[in-house]
Amino acid sequence: DVKVTQSSRYLVKRTGEKVFLECVQDMDHENMFWYRQDPGLGLRLIYFSYDVKMKEKGDIPEGYSVSREKKERFSLILESASTNQTSMYLCATHPGGSYEQYFGPGTRLTVT
Amino acid sequence: ELKVEQNPLFLSMQEGKNYTIYCNYSTTSDRLYWYRQDPGKSLESLFVLLSNGAVKQEGRLMASLDTKARLSTLHITAAVHDLSATYFCAVATFLHLIFGTGTLLAVQP
Repeated sequence: DVKVTQSSRYLVKRTGEKVFLECVQDMDHENMFWYRQDPGLGLRLIYFSYDVKMKEKGDIPEGYSVSREKKERFSLILESASTNQTSMYLCATHPGGSYEQYFGPGTRLTVT
Repeated sequence: ELKVEQNPLFLSMQEGKNYTIYCNYSTTSDRLYWYRQDPGKSLESLFVLLSNGAVKQEGRLMASLDTKARLSTLHITAAVHDLSATYFCAVATFLHLIFGTGTLLAVQP
């Protein structure tokens, strides 16, 4: 079974803090993704990576950056957290081809 | 730009009834996915549809794909409470998926 883990299930941070969300997968998948999920908006893609040290902007990259130094690990960074970044963050992996994406359990981030 | 629209956004149905969730998308794609999300949980894959006319069934759920109409449907037969969840469709681009806004399904006894 594919296992995708995220570093925290719940996180509370203050405005202006630097926040790291980490995602680790154990299936050697090339592609990894960060989404945020908000009520009524579905899942929106923040960044994705199709190889180590490679990254691509998704639909809503502003205020975020990412890091992929190792194949199994994809980090999402909020350089200076703001209240409008309060959301559920979901990491996903994809082996390529017609297979589905596999999602981690999610991190519910609250910025106060 | 690929857009994916789901409707309805919210569906309240009685146990034993049938209903259909619709997923329309705006440009050509060769892959469509359905996911389920329980409250407070992550997304679980239900179906992968790869070709025009594809139909897949699992229990009381059946998904179909019409690539010419750019439409996928998720049909629920004789709903039970355990099917209460949010259902998402997602359409593949070359590099990633575009998700619909989700349909919150509430099955009432």
